[in-house]
Amino acid sequence: NAGVTQTPKFRILKIGQSMTLQCAQDMNHNYMYWYRQDPGMGLKLIYYSVGAGITDKGEVPNGYNVSRSTTEDFPLRLELAAPSQTSVYFCASSYGGFEGRTEAFFGQGTRLTVV
Amino acid sequence: GDSVTQMEGPVTLSEEAFLTINCTYTATGYPSLFWYVQYPGEGLQLLLKATKADDKGSNKGFEATYRKETTSFHLEKGSVQVSDSAVYFCALSDPNFGNEKLTFGTGTRLTIIP
Repeated sequence: NAGVTQTPKFRILKIGQSMTLQCAQDMNHNYMYWYRQDPGMGLKLIYYSVGAGITDKGEVPNGYNVSRSTTEDFPLRLELAAPSQTSVYFCASSYGGFEGRTEAFFGQGTRLTVV
Repeated sequence: GDSVTQMEGPVTLSEEAFLTINCTYTATGYPSLFWYVQYPGEGLQLLLKATKADDKGSNKGFEATYRKETTSFHLEKGSVQVSDSAVYFCALSDPNFGNEKLTFGTGTRLTIIP
């Protein structure tokens, strides 16, 4: 079972470069999320989407962009990479909101270093 | 805004020891509470959850009780194993935000030594 698949697993970027982190899920989930995990800081929500064509900002959206053209894919775009964006990025998905039996399923993460 | 505070790590215990990882929260609504676990090299996965006061979530020998009066959701296990070594995250979802998002604590790294 694939679940949530993130690519790449590791990447080194130079300051000012751009890249797209890919995320795909095969569970037909409506909700998708991007988090970043900094050492000692827990996970911070960057952007999320409650369905195709709908996206919304989380706590730390600056420097990132997202799109959701299909239910399966939720790419995260970094336009001008900065050292402050060095982090581990996690994509997650869920069937719906978290008030019931719904749980979030996470990818294995992308470790990004900006030098 | 909403926030989750976990006990600082790392925590190192001997096998078969009793485990407690403290978690307290601040929320504008009446949240649902969760513990997620991250094993080395993997993404997070749900360990247990509770959706209303006095509910007890349990899984794999772990338990946590939703205490509204103390705004807490402490994780406990009576006898830990080496395979429990992981990072544990407390989290909440707030109905005032449609329960659409999870707010996480900083995580607690647990190491169990044989």
